[in-house]
Amino acid sequence: AQSVTQLGSHVSVSEGALVLLRCNYSSSVPPYLFWYVQYPNQGLQLLLKYTTGATLVKGINGFEAEFKKSETSFHLTKPSAHMSDAAEYFCAVSSKKETSGSRLTFGEGTQLTVNP
Amino acid sequence: EAGVTQFPSHSVIEKGQTVTLRCDPISGHDNLYWYRRVMGKEIKFLLHFVKESKQDESGMPNNRFLAERTGGTYSTLKVQPAELEDSGVYFCASSQRFGAITGELFFGEGSRLTVL
Repeated sequence: AQSVTQLGSHVSVSEGALVLLRCNYSSSVPPYLFWYVQYPNQGLQLLLKYTTGATLVKGINGFEAEFKKSETSFHLTKPSAHMSDAAEYFCAVSSKKETSGSRLTFGEGTQLTVNP
Repeated sequence: EAGVTQFPSHSVIEKGQTVTLRCDPISGHDNLYWYRRVMGKEIKFLLHFVKESKQDESGMPNNRFLAERTGGTYSTLKVQPAELEDSGVYFCASSQRFGAITGELFFGEGSRLTVL
């Protein structure tokens, strides 16, 4: 079974500060890892993903995440927060197994607040 | 191109009543998914359609939930009779290929269900 743990349901940063949203996963098979973002009154949209290859992946709006197998982590970072980054962020895991390829397993989400 | 649309955006019903949620996927997307988020918890998988067939319905909580996708186009999710614990946000997503592997799920804004 797969699971995702997001540390911190609420994170608050100042504009221009580093954003770090933590995600740890559990998977018995090589995982595919994703970060989704949900802005107010919108659906979830894919921010970035790791499937294979380079462990540091870059996404939209200056976000990036690094897959660390030894730590079973996939933390999301952005060097300098912008007011428009305020949203809820979800980490998710899937696997390459065909039988479980129909579902994503999500974490509980982290609400990011950016203060002026 | 129109995105995934869901209707209604918010529904308030009393325990024991019936509610039907509708999802219109992006045109041409054979894969359609239903997810649910209860009380700010994690987003949980409910089921997956490939065209009109149920590929995976292992996430459906019980037989009070019925999902259909007639003709492989739009989908409905009926809850009958509704219970208090069914309250939450129901998300629909669609993809061209196995979205849970590629991460390329396109989500709707969700239908918020409140059962009183």
